[in-house]
Amino acid sequence: AQTVTQSQPEMSVQEAETVTLSCTYDTSESDYYLFWYKQPPSRQMILVIRQEAYKQQNATENRFSVNFQKAAKSFSLKISDSQLGDAAMYFCARYTQGGSEKLVFGKGTKLTVNP
Amino acid sequence: DAGVIQSPRHEVTEMGQEVTLRCKPISGHNSLFWYRQTMMRGLELLIYFNNNVPIDDSGMPEDRFSAKMPNASFSTLKIQPSEPRDSAVYFCASSLAQTAAIGYTFGSGTRLTVV
Repeated sequence: AQTVTQSQPEMSVQEAETVTLSCTYDTSESDYYLFWYKQPPSRQMILVIRQEAYKQQNATENRFSVNFQKAAKSFSLKISDSQLGDAAMYFCARYTQGGSEKLVFGKGTKLTVNP
Repeated sequence: DAGVIQSPRHEVTEMGQEVTLRCKPISGHNSLFWYRQTMMRGLELLIYFNNNVPIDDSGMPEDRFSAKMPNASFSTLKIQPSEPRDSAVYFCASSLAQTAAIGYTFGSGTRLTVV
């Protein structure tokens, strides 16, 4: 099965510090997209950032950026200047175009932000 | 736009009872997805529809689960009879099939507890 793996079940960071969440994935397709979703205690799934596999440039969204290593099939999320509101579950996901076109998720990383 | 609307938000039922979860996708979206979230298995895709037609139901756990999409603005996921192991959060998500790689929009989920 083509999978998405998040090896860190839990992470913690001090407020205003930087934290990196890891994700690796498996795919035989060349055309795919990668995502990070945030799930706060409210349960809502919120899209944080998206990366097209054909783009070499790493995506950034304000304090959120990714480190996309295509050859290594690695897609980590960096959160800079962490805020209390960043505390949540974070899910890495892969969408494959032209294959089984669906979003496949990792099992998530629970991020705690300490004041 | 009200987003993806799911009802009920919480459901508690007794083992053996029928349960129906409801979803209203974003207007204009033509793809709809049902996911189940548990601690053990994370987010699993149960079934998805394109233009009201079921495309892939390989994630439906067994015959007790069924899903319908009678029109573009409504879908149901039914469990009959329900069992305690069906307790989970069930998410509905929608997207435009042509732009699914942009990401899905999720509802707030239904937390199902079967006692």
